[in-house]
Formats: sequence, C-alpha cells, structure tokens
Amino acid sequence: AQSVTQLDSQVPVFEEAPVELRCNYSSSVSVYLFWYVQYPNQGLQLLLKYLSGSTLVKGINGFEAEFNKSQTSFHLRKPSVHISDTAEYFCAVSQQGNEKLTFGTGTRLTIIP
Amino acid sequence: EAGVVQSPRYKIIEKKQPVAFWCNPISGHNTLYWYLQNLGQGPELLIRYENEEAVDDSQLPKDRFSAERLKGVDSTLKIQPAELGDSAVYLCASSTRQGAVAFFGQGTRLTVV
Repeated sequence: AQSVTQLDSQVPVFEEAPVELRCNYSSSVSVYLFWYVQYPNQGLQLLLKYLSGSTLVKGINGFEAEFNKSQTSFHLRKPSVHISDTAEYFCAVSQQGNEKLTFGTGTRLTIIP
Repeated sequence: EAGVVQSPRYKIIEKKQPVAFWCNPISGHNTLYWYLQNLGQGPELLIRYENEEAVDDSQLPKDRFSAERLKGVDSTLKIQPAELGDSAVYLCASSTRQGAVAFFGQGTRLTVV
C-alpha cells in the first residue's frame, strides 16, 4: 500500500517571499510523484511530475520539486510567490505499474499582500 | 484540445433521491477515473476503467453507487438513493496509458439536503 503525508494543512506566506510545501510518501515499490493545484471551485491542475530521470523537476508557474528517495520526500518550492498562487496544493503518488493515484490531504497556501 | 468535461457542475437533491453525473474524457484517453473529494480532503479513487472494463472498483460503495462506460468513451456515475453523507465533489479524470499523467475535470459538487 502507498500513502502520502502533507504535514502542513495551511501555509501563510508574504507576497514575493519563498515557499516550501512538504510532502512525504511511503511505498514498497518504485513510485511516480505528482503535485496538483486546485483553485476555488475548480478541478485539479497538474503542476509537475516525477516519473524518472533528474530528481529536480520544474513545473508550471515557477514551481519546482525535488525527489529525495532516501528521505521519501517530494517537497514543492517556489522562490517568490504571487497573490495568484493562493490555492490548495495536493501531493500524490502512484506505484509504477499501477495507475491508482493516492493523494495527501492538501496544503492551503495563502499569500499575504 | 478539449479537456475532461463533466456535467452538471452543481447538483442539489433531497436525500433518498437518485442522481447521476456524466464525464467525457480527453479524446484518445483509454483510462478513466472517478474520484470522490470530501471537504478539506484529497481526492479518493472510486473506480478506474481501462476502456469499457472496470479494473479497480474496490472503493466503490456498490450498495448505492454504480458506474458505466459502455462504449469505452464517456462514463456515468450514479447514486441511488443518495444520503446526506454523499455531499462532496465528484471528480472525473483520464489518462492515456499506464503510469501516465491523469487530467482532471472541474468536478460536480453534490449537495444532499
């Protein structure tokens, strides 16, 4: 079985400050890792993904994440946030060979002007 | 390219009434998923289809929930009868192949009163 832990349910950040949203996973086999963003009353939009290769992956809207196998982590970062980044962010994992996505409980990012 | 289309966006029904949600996946996507998202939680898989075959329905409450994807394209999720606890957002997603990225629709927000 696989699971995802997002330790921070809410993260307030001042505009133009850096942010890191934490994600840890557990799985007995190799995994694919994803970050999705959900704006109010919207579906989920893919921010970035790790399938294989370089452990540092870049996504849309200036976000990036680093896969750390030894730490079983996939933290999301952005060097300078904008008001428009206010949203709910979900980390998700699937096992290689099984398309079932398991999501974390989400982190609400609030940008303070 | 059109994304995943879901309808309706919002639905309010009285308890014990039936309700149905419709999803049209991205053209060419063989895999279709239905997810349930409760307030403040991450999405949880209800059922996954490969073409017209349900390959993972272990989380679908079969006493009241049913789904179909008769021609391997669009899909319908039904609840009969609905209960107050079914109030949630129902998300549909699709992907091209094993391990590929899932693209989500905007969801149907169900309120049972």
